[in-house]
Amino acid sequence: GQQVMQIPQYQHVQEGEDFTTYCNSSTTLSNIQWYKQRPGGHPVFLIQLVKSGEVKKQKRLTFQFGEAKKNSSLHITATQTTDVGTYFCAGRRGGSNYKLTFGKGTLLTVNP
Amino acid sequence: NAGVTQTPKFQVLKTGQSMTLQCAQDMNHEYMSWYRQDPGMGLRLIHYSVGAGITDQGEVPNGYNVSRSTTEDFPLRLLSAAPSQTSVYFCASSYSVQVNTEAFFGQGTRLTVV
Repeated sequence: GQQVMQIPQYQHVQEGEDFTTYCNSSTTLSNIQWYKQRPGGHPVFLIQLVKSGEVKKQKRLTFQFGEAKKNSSLHITATQTTDVGTYFCAGRRGGSNYKLTFGKGTLLTVNP
Repeated sequence: NAGVTQTPKFQVLKTGQSMTLQCAQDMNHEYMSWYRQDPGMGLRLIHYSVGAGITDQGEVPNGYNVSRSTTEDFPLRLLSAAPSQTSVYFCASSYSVQVNTEAFFGQGTRLTVV
């Protein structure tokens, strides 16, 4: 079945440092989505990428979708304490496969 | 709009008991799903539905049943609770399965089976 791998599992940074999490799928995806879950909270949608090679930015966050539509990354520039949480990628194979499969997530902690 | 509402927020069950986790959405979403979240395991799909009367299995369906009699409701039933089902359960919904749309999550149900 479809697998979505995400690394690293944990990342601890000093405030102001950059952070990157990577996502790889065993199959080609129709789209990739990114979610953030604050400690004790529920996942909240951040962004969706659909096109091969797509790059999107949200303030200090940069999202990329690989050319083969099998990998993606989330990069945060100059982390802040408000960035703390677990970041998940999630993908769909498309066609008649409607399942949204999540990676295991990357837990980001930020030392002020 | 309330969004996705899950009840209860917390539950303790004894091994062998059954119960139903409720999930309702008021956004007229087509796609609904249940995930369980365990430490280090991410979000694993239990069951999902692409519309009223249609359900299918996800990655970890054993021990759980679902039904979708209306667009709004998607309850998850634990038939005979086991300690391995101790987890946080999230219900999620999306507007459409034909167009890639974001998933909206409920607040979660923290279930402990003793």
